[in-house]
Amino acid sequence: EDQVTQSPEALRLQEGESSSLNCSYTVSGLRGLFWYRQDPGKGPEFLFTLYSAGEEKEKERLKATLTKKESFLHITAPKPEDSATYLCAVQESGGYQKVTFGIGTKLQVIP
Amino acid sequence: GAVVSQHPSRVICKSGTSVKIECRSLDFQATTMFWYRQFPKQSLMLMATSNEGSKATYEQGVEKDKFLINHASLTLSTLTVTSAHPEDSSFYICSVGKGYNEQFFGPGTRLTVL
Repeated sequence: EDQVTQSPEALRLQEGESSSLNCSYTVSGLRGLFWYRQDPGKGPEFLFTLYSAGEEKEKERLKATLTKKESFLHITAPKPEDSATYLCAVQESGGYQKVTFGIGTKLQVIP
Repeated sequence: GAVVSQHPSRVICKSGTSVKIECRSLDFQATTMFWYRQFPKQSLMLMATSNEGSKATYEQGVEKDKFLINHASLTLSTLTVTSAHPEDSSFYICSVGKGYNEQFFGPGTRLTVL
């Protein structure tokens, strides 16, 4: 069974203090790893898809990287508006589109 | 991406009643839609995969007679919670599958059963 573990569960940063969120995964064959942002009371917002080890993607202050066992979401010089829960999810290779989510990392950026 | 709406955003109902939640794909014809449930401080749990024109595929442990899913068109899927009970209170979110394997989510529906 696919497993996704995210750490830390919660992270509090000062504005401008860079850090990384971790997503460790176990899957028999990876079709894709996804990062989403979720604000309280809202649906997840798509950020990135990573397909193979060594791949990196960037969007504004966010950069996602992927190895064979884990993914990191690096946040550079965060701002208060980056405060949210960041979800990691994996999809196993094969025809079925089922995605398994981690519990998320709740990020709070303090001005 | 894809733009997905849900209606209603919040619903409060009495125990024993049924509630229907709509999920619409506004800018994309979605062959496949997904329904998730999220309890506080827990991850999104897939309930079922909805395919246009065919029966939904339910995940293990999800009662198909309690959570009725209808994907009548390429832009609309509905989830009906039948005979709702307080333990069904949760955040219900739908998504549409687009492209190779990405999913785009709706804003969610908060269900409270009294």
